[in-house]
Amino acid sequence: RKEVEQDPGPFNVPEGATVAFNCTYSNSASQSFFWYRQDCRKEPKLLMSVYSSGNEDGRFTAQLNRASQYISLLIRDSKLSDSATYLCVVNMDTGRRALTFGSGTRLQVQP
Amino acid sequence: ETGVTQSPTHLIKTRGQQVTLRCSSQSGHNTVSWYQQALGQGPQFIFQYYREEENGRGNFPPRFSGLQFPNYSSELNVNALELDDSALYLCASSPMGGTTNTGELFFGEGSRLTVL
Repeated sequence: RKEVEQDPGPFNVPEGATVAFNCTYSNSASQSFFWYRQDCRKEPKLLMSVYSSGNEDGRFTAQLNRASQYISLLIRDSKLSDSATYLCVVNMDTGRRALTFGSGTRLQVQP
Repeated sequence: ETGVTQSPTHLIKTRGQQVTLRCSSQSGHNTVSWYQQALGQGPQFIFQYYREEENGRGNFPPRFSGLQFPNYSSELNVNALELDDSALYLCASSPMGGTTNTGELFFGEGSRLTVL
């Protein structure tokens, strides 16, 4: 079983749609959680951290369910510029910033 | 402020050869991590350097080695290259200090290695 699992997609959605990505992680002792975004042939960049209480950043909402070891990302009112791969990321070791990445979910927003 | 820079951007090697990849960390960052990203996969942690010493290692064989220099720049060396080493190699820097782990790594654009 992979440490961080994601549906690879692709998710093809029209502009303005709401889309949700899910992710599960295997290590119940994991301490911190993130979503990174990676554009085609570019480096990953932090999109947002994920907190137990849930958090929102504009059109993006992240949720964490520690009991189910489940993380989600909701994107509302999708834009063409949201097309990218979304990586679910877990820090299983607070001593180092060694992040464990999922394989990513590809999103294609269509006009 | 200068971001993370990596060199070379692309290179082609043959099986059995050795390669050295270089990384300059972002200004003010003293920790460098290296990740391998195969096509269609997420980045996989190779190792991290802090104060010129290895500070943790992922599930990679000893032929993957590294260095960090006093100016915090770093090298990744891979010996006896195999076909499966073909990947994007990403360097990421972060500040080690502080009590809050924001989890933000600042990645360079990567070095794309092809092994034939």
